[in-house]
Amino acid sequence: DVKVTQSSRYLVKRTGEKVFLECVQDMDHENMFWYRQDPGLGLRLIYFSYDVKMKEKGDIPEGYSVSREKKERFSLILESASTNQTSMYLCASSLGTSGILTGELFFGEGSRLTVL
Amino acid sequence: GENVEQHPSTLSVQEGDSAVIKCTYSDSASNYFPWYKQELGKRPQLIIDIRSNVGEKKDQRIAVTLNKTAKHFSLHITETQPEDSAVYFCAASDNRDDKIIFGKGTRLHILP
Repeated sequence: DVKVTQSSRYLVKRTGEKVFLECVQDMDHENMFWYRQDPGLGLRLIYFSYDVKMKEKGDIPEGYSVSREKKERFSLILESASTNQTSMYLCASSLGTSGILTGELFFGEGSRLTVL
Repeated sequence: GENVEQHPSTLSVQEGDSAVIKCTYSDSASNYFPWYKQELGKRPQLIIDIRSNVGEKKDQRIAVTLNKTAKHFSLHITETQPEDSAVYFCAASDNRDDKIIFGKGTRLHILP
């Protein structure tokens, strides 16, 4: 079974703090994604990466950055946390082998971030 | 970019009846349409998907239909059961970059 592990289930941070959310997958997937989930807004794509050191903006990248130094690890960074970034953050991965059509996303359990 | 609209936002059906959730998409290049189910407190999981070379796909009590001309696709659940209660998300993607864009979700309640 594919396992996607997010380092923190619950975090409480103060406005202006730098926040790191870590995600690790163990199935050698090429693609990794960060979504945020808010009630009534569904899953919104923040950033994704299809290769080491590669990153692409999603629909709501403002206020976030990402890092992918190793294939299995994709980090989401909030440089200066704000209250409107209080949310559930979901990491996901997919196989994404070149030339093969888009495939299944495997999600982590989520990290619930509260910014005070 | 792609935009996915999903309706209704909430749906209540009697146990045993059918449920239908509808989605539309904007990018005609999209060719992959998955559906995810998220039970309370759990992560979303893929339940069925369809690619643009077929119009319908079925897996036991769930089926998905796709109309590429109209750019809409639907999830059909027959003989609903209590364990079908969850939030369902439709999504769309193309194989240019594997980016998957989700709808806002439908909360399905199965009434006893």
